[in-house]
Amino acid sequence: DAGVTQSPTHLIKTRGQQVTLRCSPKSGHDTVSWYQQALGQGPQFIFQYYEEEERQRGNFPDRFSGHQFPNYSSELNVNALLLGDSALYLCASSWRLKGRRRTYGYTFGSGTRLTVV
Amino acid sequence: AQKITQTQPGMFVQEKEAVTLDCTYDTSDPSYGLFWYKQPSSGEMIFLIYQGSYDQQNATEGRYSLNFQKARKSANLVISASQLGDSAMYFCAMREGTSGSRLTFGEGTQLTVNP
Repeated sequence: DAGVTQSPTHLIKTRGQQVTLRCSPKSGHDTVSWYQQALGQGPQFIFQYYEEEERQRGNFPDRFSGHQFPNYSSELNVNALLLGDSALYLCASSWRLKGRRRTYGYTFGSGTRLTVV
Repeated sequence: AQKITQTQPGMFVQEKEAVTLDCTYDTSDPSYGLFWYKQPSSGEMIFLIYQGSYDQQNATEGRYSLNFQKARKSANLVISASQLGDSAMYFCAMREGTSGSRLTFGEGTQLTVNP
């Protein structure tokens, strides 16, 4: 049973460019959360998707957007890249009971390491 | 104010000894959960142990145990019989009942196990 899969594993982009990161959740999970982890820091919550909608959002600008597909996989898009966007981007999948906010079974992927030059 | 505080940037322990990693938290929500994750250099966050705010007993998972002191708002991770493979970054995280399912992480503690 595959866990959370993220692609690509590494990426180098130039300031001002746009990037798309991808995440396939663990089998049986319907909720995907994205985190940004700067070097030497703990992960920071970006947003969470459930039923193809953004359900929660952290303190990140609108340059950060996402999408969830019917098969529960998700994309994170970052526009107008800044040097400060260089980080490890982690995807976490989980599942929730219908109508409940809390999710269970949080499982993280290995992340995508983004370098902006 | 920091919701999760890990005051030990780095810790060293001899192989086969026990080590305690500190974590204090701040919340006014009576319903919350506390997590510990291990992050090796590969980047993946590996779940270790969970403690719910209403759990009566301290959580244990194999060599990992959580010293949960609710009144002091601390949730320290104890690793017994340390192994070389335990060398990694360790993060304490909290999920508050009012925050849905987002996790708030601390800054982490880098653990090094010496042979």
